[in-house]
Amino acid sequence: GENVEQHPSTLSVQEGDSAVIKCTYSDSASNYFPWYKQELGKRPQLIIDIRSNVGEKKDQRIAVTLNKTAKHFSLHITETQPEDSAVYFCAQGGGKLIFGQGTELSVKP
Amino acid sequence: DAGVTQSPTHLIKTRGQHVTLRCSPISGHKSVSWYQQVLGQGPQFIFQYYEKEERGRGNFPDRFSARQFPNYSSELNVNALLLGDSALYLCASSLKMGPTSSYEQYFGPGTRLTVT
Repeated sequence: GENVEQHPSTLSVQEGDSAVIKCTYSDSASNYFPWYKQELGKRPQLIIDIRSNVGEKKDQRIAVTLNKTAKHFSLHITETQPEDSAVYFCAQGGGKLIFGQGTELSVKP
Repeated sequence: DAGVTQSPTHLIKTRGQHVTLRCSPISGHKSVSWYQQVLGQGPQFIFQYYEKEERGRGNFPDRFSARQFPNYSSELNVNALLLGDSALYLCASSLKMGPTSSYEQYFGPGTRLTVT
């Protein structure tokens, strides 16, 4: 069935370092891959997404890459800041989104 | 511009009871999806509605049902509550949907349901 594997489950970095989160998906028909950031007690917030006709997308300090052949996509955060600390979820989707298990990112000042 | 709203914020119910959760999408959005998020896990898809019709259903028992109204708001109903139904229930709205394309989904703040 449809499945998204996300790694690592926890990630701790120093402020200013880069963070990378990786996801692998099973449904080769998927063409939409969003990333959500969820702070404690708050709603998931869409931070960036990529569609299957694009290999990379950037938005300031955040970038996402997609490798459709290998069926994996990654989130890259550069120059991390303490406010980047949160749980990040990848997802694959069509009408419904299938989420990964989440990565708890901690940015230490 | 108002985002997705959900009510109530918190709810405590007893096993066997039923519950109704409500969601209002972003103005102009015609699709609403429901997700269940258990603590420490990613959201799990329950239903998607578009133009008042069910367009997708996740792997949840028949105790879960939903509907969408002419104004595109939506209700999620859960009957015969079990302890395992305790979770954050999230509603997400999107502009529209299509068979081969996907549109950004924006989440509401959720309803925290506790079943005792």
